[in-house]
Amino acid sequence: GQSLEQPSEVTAVEGAIVQINCTYQTSGFYGLSWYQQHDGGAPTFLSYNALDGLEETGRFSSFLSRSDSYGYLLLQELQMKDSASYFCAVISGGYQKVTFGTGTKLQVIP
Amino acid sequence: DARVTQTPRDKVTEMGQEVTMRCQPILGHNTVFWYRQTMMQGLELLAYFRNRAPLDDSGMPKDRFSAEMPDATLATLKIQPSEPRDSAVYFCASGSLDTYNEQFFGPGTRLTVL
Repeated sequence: GQSLEQPSEVTAVEGAIVQINCTYQTSGFYGLSWYQQHDGGAPTFLSYNALDGLEETGRFSSFLSRSDSYGYLLLQELQMKDSASYFCAVISGGYQKVTFGTGTKLQVIP
Repeated sequence: DARVTQTPRDKVTEMGQEVTMRCQPILGHNTVFWYRQTMMQGLELLAYFRNRAPLDDSGMPKDRFSAEMPDATLATLKIQPSEPRDSAVYFCASGSLDTYNEQFFGPGTRLTVL
């Protein structure tokens, strides 16, 4: 089966940089996605990594190391609106099944 | 503005009643997912379909849950009979084979079983 681990909570200051880590165990790995979910809302897609390295999208970047079964989401120039839960999700298996982590609740403080 | 729609948005029912949730995926998307989210269990995959065929429903309690796609524009999730432990937010998401790594989520159905 698949398993993913993320920190449950992270607190960071507005304007700072925060990194949310995700480690996974799976077979037939395709890639790692990241999603953001605000309280009361639906998850929205942020980024995807299939190959090792860093993918940058504006203030958000995502990194993957396939050999270490590890990835992270990097949020720069934090804003109050970034307070949300962040989920990593592994895509794996012949049918590209998606398994979500338990989520990291990010609180941005002034 | 293409988006996934779900109905109803909120449902309150009594234990033992049948519940049907509906989802309209984004036009052209051929993969549909059903998730359940609770504080305790997080986001759990219940079932997913590709080209209307069920690929995996191992996350779904088979005795009371069923998921179908009667056509490409409609996915349904039924619970019969419902139990209080089924109270959760149920999300539908859709995607395409070209962008299977990116799922588009609907707004969810908040189910409360009394």
